[in-house]
Amino acid sequence: QVQLVQSGAEVKKPGSSVKVSCKASGGTFSSYAISWVRQAPGQGLEWMGGIIPIFGTANYAQKFQGRVTITADESTSTAYMELSSLRSEDTAVYYCARVDGYNLVGYFDYWGQGTLVTVSS
Amino acid sequence: EIVLTQSPGTLSLSPGERATLSCRASQSVSSSYLAWYQQKPGQAPRLLIYGASSRATGIPDRFSGSGSGTDFTLTISRLEPEDFAVYYCQQYGSSPPVTFGPGTKVDIK
Repeated sequence: QVQLVQSGAEVKKPGSSVKVSCKASGGTFSSYAISWVRQAPGQGLEWMGGIIPIFGTANYAQKFQGRVTITADESTSTAYMELSSLRSEDTAVYYCARVDGYNLVGYFDYWGQGTLVTVSS
Repeated sequence: EIVLTQSPGTLSLSPGERATLSCRASQSVSSSYLAWYQQKPGQAPRLLIYGASSRATGIPDRFSGSGSGTDFTLTISRLEPEDFAVYYCQQYGSSPPVTFGPGTKVDIK
């Protein structure tokens, strides 16, 4: 049984950066991809990008290109999402989610519990 | 990028009734790479259906998915109290980005 456990809530100032972690247990970390999906308050789901840890290559949604960096550490089975130049519109719950297999594009069968990032001066 | 539209925005039904949710894509979704998720307040989404019609592990058989091309449907045959939630469709075609629909809220009439 795969479990994805994310880091805790963050409060950040506009213009700063935030780094959220997602630690996986169960399954084999190197055999699947991790994506990041965010959800603004009262809004829908938005894919930000993902990574296949065994390859180390990340792919980002065009909207976030240049502002988001997704990395993975196979030694600790942890994926990270760093978002820079934060603005109030980035206030959201950020989820990590798993795609089984070596494909960034797929359905998400396991999700982290979510991390609330609040951007406020 | 494939844009997904869901209808209706809100569906008001009573327990025991049948729910039919629609998801329409702006272009054909390759190989029926369409998934459905259920989300309750304060919780992460939960995978219900993948490949347009395959139920995920542990999902009751009152949930079923159908469709192909640009038109997909999620049906809940008889609503249980725990089924009142928001439902999202997601396409995961051959290349990024994956996209989600705006959601359909199923609430108690």
